[in-house]
Amino acid sequence: DGGITQSPKYLFRKEGQNVTLSCEQNLNHDAMYWYRQDPGQGLRLIYYSQIVNDFQKGDIAEGYSVSREKKESFPLTVTSAQKNPTAFYLCASRPQGYTEAFFGQGTRLTVV
Amino acid sequence: KNQVEQSPQSLIILEGKNCTLQCNYTVSPFSNLRWYKQDTGRGPVSLTIMTFSENTKSNGRYTATLDADTKQSSLHITASQLSDSASYICVVSADTGFQKLVFGTGTRLLVSP
Repeated sequence: DGGITQSPKYLFRKEGQNVTLSCEQNLNHDAMYWYRQDPGQGLRLIYYSQIVNDFQKGDIAEGYSVSREKKESFPLTVTSAQKNPTAFYLCASRPQGYTEAFFGQGTRLTVV
Repeated sequence: KNQVEQSPQSLIILEGKNCTLQCNYTVSPFSNLRWYKQDTGRGPVSLTIMTFSENTKSNGRYTATLDADTKQSSLHITASQLSDSASYICVVSADTGFQKLVFGTGTRLLVSP
């Protein structure tokens, strides 16, 4: 099936540890995005990538890092520098020239 | 500052009733406006898209309207069903080279039997 797959669905992390969230798409989309969703707030952009081997910071990139070595993969690493990492993380992709973003099912990260 | 505001924050209606959700935006330059439905713990799914020249668009029991002059949009749900219980998010695209998306905080709808 075509789509965007995020894994894992739930993730627990101890304070001070880095953790990587996976995002894979087989839609052949050029652009990929990472968003963070907190209760009572709209989705906020962490990083985006419009092409392989290139990515740009979004509005809240501090404490996060990404890579785009393959078109279909855009992993997000939440580092220990992120002060409040507990949130719902959404990955999205979009084909070039098209305005709709297609979302994965999300990863809920909890720092314990 | 680009902003999207939605109202109400939450809404409870009885099954079978209609409801209307509101979205006001200050996004420039405007490209399009989408309404997304997000079930709890899931990713958002697009319901409708409105461009500058469109006033209304329907998708089954969902009807979206757009007034580009007042920068307001509404999403009307007809004959609500229990499966309509979700958050509805208004998303406005700014027509930059990157097609920046500005998200509203959403309206949480609960359809009660």
